[in-house]
Amino acid sequence: DAKTTQPPSMDCAEGRAANLPCNHSTISGNEYVYWYRQIHSQGPQYIIHGLKNNETNEMASLIITEDRKSSTLILPHATLRDTAVYYCIVRSLGGSYIPTFGRGTSLIVHP
Amino acid sequence: DAGVTQSPTHLIKTRGQQVTLRCSPKSGHDTVSWYQQALGQGPQFIFQYYEEEERQRGNFPDRFSGHQFPNYSSELNVNALLLGDSALYLCASSPSPWGSPLHFGNGTRLTVT
Repeated sequence: DAKTTQPPSMDCAEGRAANLPCNHSTISGNEYVYWYRQIHSQGPQYIIHGLKNNETNEMASLIITEDRKSSTLILPHATLRDTAVYYCIVRSLGGSYIPTFGRGTSLIVHP
Repeated sequence: DAGVTQSPTHLIKTRGQQVTLRCSPKSGHDTVSWYQQALGQGPQFIFQYYEEEERQRGNFPDRFSGHQFPNYSSELNVNALLLGDSALYLCASSPSPWGSPLHFGNGTRLTVT
């Protein structure tokens, strides 16, 4: 599976958009980009995933570049409850799905 | 609809002892995976169970073993505990082994003294 690179930490003002980048320059054509987040003392929570088209759900938007070498998770109106560690993972859907988590990005949303 | 439940939430063991952690998957899910998360690190894959068999395994020693029951619940057993086994142990379930997003429990915090 392709590896991902994320900044170790970011901060954002409450009510503003939080844009979390992820580099996956070795991604292959059948690999999806998944995002999870982990709020302190809880298990990781699935947010969104995509292949090459931009995706949006009730939690966030996922923007994938045309060459698919990077992506951005967007939380449009960050709240204090969005403070968490965000993990970007790349995985193909063929065969068993075993996500490999790096250290993620620690996002702090401040008032 | 209950999500993934794990028990116990916290556990303290002594080096050399054995421990069993339990997991009930989300309703409708038949695949269970276990992860170890050390402080400040991302979760590390231990193994996955599907149809009561271990399907895939990460880079963990044989001291780590598991089981899946006919009702899809699962156990993680760790023998001969080491201080380095202190971590948060996460269980995740999915409706199949193939590509579905994982649903995680809130984990069992194991402390080895």
